[in-house]
Order: sequence, then structure tokens, then C-alpha cells
Amino acid sequence: AQSVTQPDIHITVSEGASLELRCNYSYGATPYLFWYVQSPGQGLQLLLKYFSGDTLVQGIKGFEAEFKRSQSSFNLRKPSVHWSDAAEYFCAVGEGSGGGADGLTFGKGTHLIIQP
Amino acid sequence: DTEVTQTPKHLVMGMTNKKSLKCEQHMGHRAMYWYKQKAKKPPELMFVYSYEKLSINESVPSRFSPECPNSSLLNLHLHALQPEDSALYLCASSQGGTGGNQPQHFGDGTRLSIL
Repeated sequence: AQSVTQPDIHITVSEGASLELRCNYSYGATPYLFWYVQSPGQGLQLLLKYFSGDTLVQGIKGFEAEFKRSQSSFNLRKPSVHWSDAAEYFCAVGEGSGGGADGLTFGKGTHLIIQP
Repeated sequence: DTEVTQTPKHLVMGMTNKKSLKCEQHMGHRAMYWYKQKAKKPPELMFVYSYEKLSINESVPSRFSPECPNSSLLNLHLHALQPEDSALYLCASSQGGTGGNQPQHFGDGTRLSIL
């Protein structure tokens, strides 16, 4: 069964500093990987996705993520964070077997705190 | 602005009440999902509809009853809920019938409180 691990429950970063959120997945075949962000009281907003091809993917709000098959990782990065980036971040994997809609399996999330 | 609309935003109900949560999308998506999210936890999949047919039911108690009247609408009927059912209920949609490689678009959720 597929699974996603986000090892950091909380991360605190100073405004303007760089950010990296870690995500490791467990899946036998080629995974479909996503990063979502959730602000308090809101739904989930898709930041970026990886299906195949270039292992460095660009997303919205200045985020990017790099797929590393050898490390089973899909870490999210941003060169300079803004106070508005404070939120909960979820890494998710979608099953790529085809033949019917599948839900997403989410990691437990990383709570990002921005210090002024 | 979200392209998946959920109503109501908040719902408080007693354990003997019957209520429904509603979800609507106009993106032409053919797969729709219900997730349950407890505080400080990730969303957990409840149901998946693909082309208006229930394709996944993740062993959810029968007091939750999904309905997909058409490809744009998804309902979740609630009856005799328990206090532990208090949570944020999220609706999502994606293109086609293969959700695994399609990004899901989420609504803002319905915050449900059971008294």
C-alpha cells in the first residue's frame, strides 16, 4: 500500500529565509505526487504536482519541488518565504494504476510558522 | 476563489437530526470525492464517485450516505451522527475516471459539529 511520510510536524522559518519541507513516499510503481497547502478554516489548494518527466517542478506562489526516485523523496522548496506562507502543508500520493478514480493518500502535514 | 462550492460552511446538529452536505463543481470533472478531516490531521478519504457511480467506499459507517445526482453535484446525507463525527468535511473533484494521476480540486469544506 502506498504511504507518505512528512517527518517534520512543525517548522519555524524567519521571513525572507529559504524553506524546505520534506516528504518521503512508499509506492511500488511510479507515483503521482502532489503538494497542497491549507490555511486555517480553508480547503486544500494545490501547489504543484509531479507525474513524469522533469524532476524539478514549478508551482504557484513561488514554490518548487524536486522528485528524487533514489531517495523516494519529493521535497518542497521556496527561496524566500513570506508571512502569508504560514499554513499547513500536505504531501500526497495518488495511485497510478488507472482504471477508476482513486483518492489521495496524505502525509500527516507540516505546520509552517513564519517568524517576523 | 474556489471552483468547488460546498454548502453550508458550518453546521451544528443533534445526534437525532437528519441533514445533508452539498457540493457543486462546474469544471466538467467526472470524479468527485468526500474526505473527512479532524483537527490537526490530514484528510481521510470517505467516498469516490466516478462518472456518477460510487467506486470507492472506505468502510464508512452507514450513518453517512453519499449521493451523486449528476456529474456536477455531490451530496452527503447525515443521520444519527455521533460526537466523534464532528470534523471538517471536504469535497473534491478531478478530471476523468482516473484520479490517481489527476490533481484534485478542493472546496473550503463544511465544519460539522455534533451536539
